Amino acid sequence: GQSLEQPSEVTAVEGAIVQINCTYQTSGFYGLSWYQQHDGGAPTFLSYNALDGLEETGRFSSFLSRSDSYGYLLLQELQMKDSASYFCAVSGTGGFKTIFGAGTRLFVKA
Amino acid sequence: DARVTQTPRDKVTEMGQEVTMRCQPILGHNTVFWYRQTMMQGLELLAYFRNRAPLDDSGMPKDRFSAEMPDATLATLKIQPSEPRDSAVYFCASGLGLAGNTGELFFGEGSRLTVL
Repeated sequence: GQSLEQPSEVTAVEGAIVQINCTYQTSGFYGLSWYQQHDGGAPTFLSYNALDGLEETGRFSSFLSRSDSYGYLLLQELQMKDSASYFCAVSGTGGFKTIFGAGTRLFVKA
Repeated sequence: DARVTQTPRDKVTEMGQEVTMRCQPILGHNTVFWYRQTMMQGLELLAYFRNRAPLDDSGMPKDRFSAEMPDATLATLKIQPSEPRDSAVYFCASGLGLAGNTGELFFGEGSRLTVL
């Protein structure tokens, strides 16, 4: 089966850097994704890691270590608009079955 | 501008009634997922399809839920009979699966269901 763990809540100040960790268990692995969801909205895609290492997209970076079944999302230069829920998701065998973690609620304070 | 379209956006019904939610995936996408989101459970996978074939619906209560994909442009999720505990936001998402390089899923706006 597949399961993921991530912190339920993180608080940081505007302009700071925050890291949201995710550990996963899966019987087959294709990749780890990250999604952002604002209150009342739909999840939107941020990043995908299929191989070990760091992927950078603007202020957001995502890291994967397949041997450790671990990844993280790094948000730099935090802005108030980054306050949202962030989900890690693992895609595995069985037709790219994609399971989401419970989400991390990020609060950005002024 | 390609997007996943879900209907209805909001549905209020009474316990025992049948509810059907519909999803139009992005043209060309070969994987379609149904997720349920509540405050307590996060994003819970209910069912998913690849090339219209159901691959896994183990997340669905089989006695009352059913998911189908009658053609490439329509996926449906039906609840019969509905119960108050089914109240949630139901999301449909589509993607290219292994054929895509990014693993990205595109989500619809969701169907908010309230069962009284």
